[in-house]
Amino acid sequence: QQQVKQSPQSLIVQKGGISIINCAYENTAFDYFPWYQQFPGKGPALLIAIRPDVSEKKEGRFTISFNKSAKQFSLHIMDSQPGDSATYFCAASGAGGGNKLTFGTGTQLKVEL
Amino acid sequence: KAGVTQTPRYLIKTRGQQVTLSCSPISGHRSVSWYQQTPGQGLQFLFEYFSETQRNKGNFPGRFSGRQFSNSRSEMNVSTLELGDSALYLCASSWSGGGAISEQFFGPGTRLTVL
Repeated sequence: QQQVKQSPQSLIVQKGGISIINCAYENTAFDYFPWYQQFPGKGPALLIAIRPDVSEKKEGRFTISFNKSAKQFSLHIMDSQPGDSATYFCAASGAGGGNKLTFGTGTQLKVEL
Repeated sequence: KAGVTQTPRYLIKTRGQQVTLSCSPISGHRSVSWYQQTPGQGLQFLFEYFSETQRNKGNFPGRFSGRQFSNSRSEMNVSTLELGDSALYLCASSWSGGGAISEQFFGPGTRLTVL
């Protein structure tokens, strides 16, 4: 059972544009929602994370928006750059699961010049 | 601080063999989790160890096992390898004090190919 649904599967954005990736979860006991960035041949790198007590968190060009009632959260990458081209994963944990992360299926982002 | 290290980085095995992968967490981190990444199934949780005890386990067969040592280093073992075990195996470490969820940092992974 997939508990975190991620869309789109792939995304092409022009340099300077805004990249938006969406995730939806089912388990209401999840209480930690990180986003990871992965380049080919590398492990995922933590970008930004949010807990349900806030609706938005911003770090540099990266913003997470969180809608608890809709059980959805999204990553916004402002002023997207070619160096942002990577695969992005949303994830969720909680529900007494220790550090177990349930991942979305990933979004392959390409930022074109 | 040094990041999470995993050895070896690449492995080629044949069906039926067994394999052991190693992970050294970030200094001071006590939790180590293992994930399998494949194109078809994505990132899937295998298990988590904290203070040498398995704290959580994913839905993988018993051929997949792990352990953690007193210095927090961890190993995972896969016995009787199958073709479908070909994957990138990722280790993630976190401080995870007091049972609270904490940030997890991933290593570069071990690429296992089963022939």
